[in-house]
Amino acid sequence: ETGVTQTPRHLVMGMTNKKSLKCEQHLGHNAMYWYKQSAKKPLELMFVYNFKEQTENNSVPSRFSPECPNSSHLFLHLHTLQPEDSALYLCASSQDPPGSNTEAFFGQGTRLTVV
Amino acid sequence: GQNIDQPTEMTATEGAIVQINCTYQTSGFNGLFWYQQHAGEAPTFLSYNVLDGLEEKGRFSSFLSRSKGYSYLLLKELQMKDSASYLCAVLDSNYQLIWGAGTKLIIKP
Repeated sequence: ETGVTQTPRHLVMGMTNKKSLKCEQHLGHNAMYWYKQSAKKPLELMFVYNFKEQTENNSVPSRFSPECPNSSHLFLHLHTLQPEDSALYLCASSQDPPGSNTEAFFGQGTRLTVV
Repeated sequence: GQNIDQPTEMTATEGAIVQINCTYQTSGFNGLFWYQQHAGEAPTFLSYNVLDGLEEKGRFSSFLSRSKGYSYLLLKELQMKDSASYLCAVLDSNYQLIWGAGTKLIIKP
C-alpha cells in the first residue's frame, strides 16, 4: 500500500465509449502525475499537476483529458480511444513539485483495454 | 535524443548476487532513481543517487558514475520475492524524469 489509490483496477471499453480513471492520495502531496506504461516500453509521462495547476502536457492526444479538482484527487477522462491506447495507466504523487529529487509514490494502475 | 538503456531480462538463483546495469545519455543530470515493480503492482522507490559512489541500503546497493553515464543496482542474498521489474530513471537538466524500459528479474530456486 503506497498511499495512492486508483480505480478501477481493470477497464475494458469500446472505441466509442467515455470512461474516467480516478486517482486519490491522502499523503498530503502537492504534485500528481499520470503515466502510461506499455509492455517493454519506458514509462511515458502524460500530465503533471502542481498545486492543482497543470504544468505539463507531453503532447498527449485530446482524447485524454485530465482533471484535478483538488490536491488529493486526479481524474483522467477517456473518449473515443484507439486500440493502441491499451496500456497500464499509473497515477503518482510526490511531496514536492517536479524539479526536486523527492521520490514519487505510485498507484497500482488501471489496466485499460480498448476493443 | 535522451536514452536510458537497461537489459530487458535477467535470471539469477536464490541466495546469489545480481547486478542490474543502467546506462544513460541525457541532457544534463540531476539524479538517478531505481524503482521496483512487482507484476500487477505499483512501482516502489528503492534508491536515489546524485553523487558518484555506492549507496547501500540493506540487501540492495546502488552505484553511480556520472562521468561514465552509468549506474547499477546490486541485489545480494536474493530471495524469491525479489522477482520483479527494476526501473532506472534519470532526472535531466529540466528536471524531467527519463525512464528506462525496465529489467525483468527472474529468481530461480
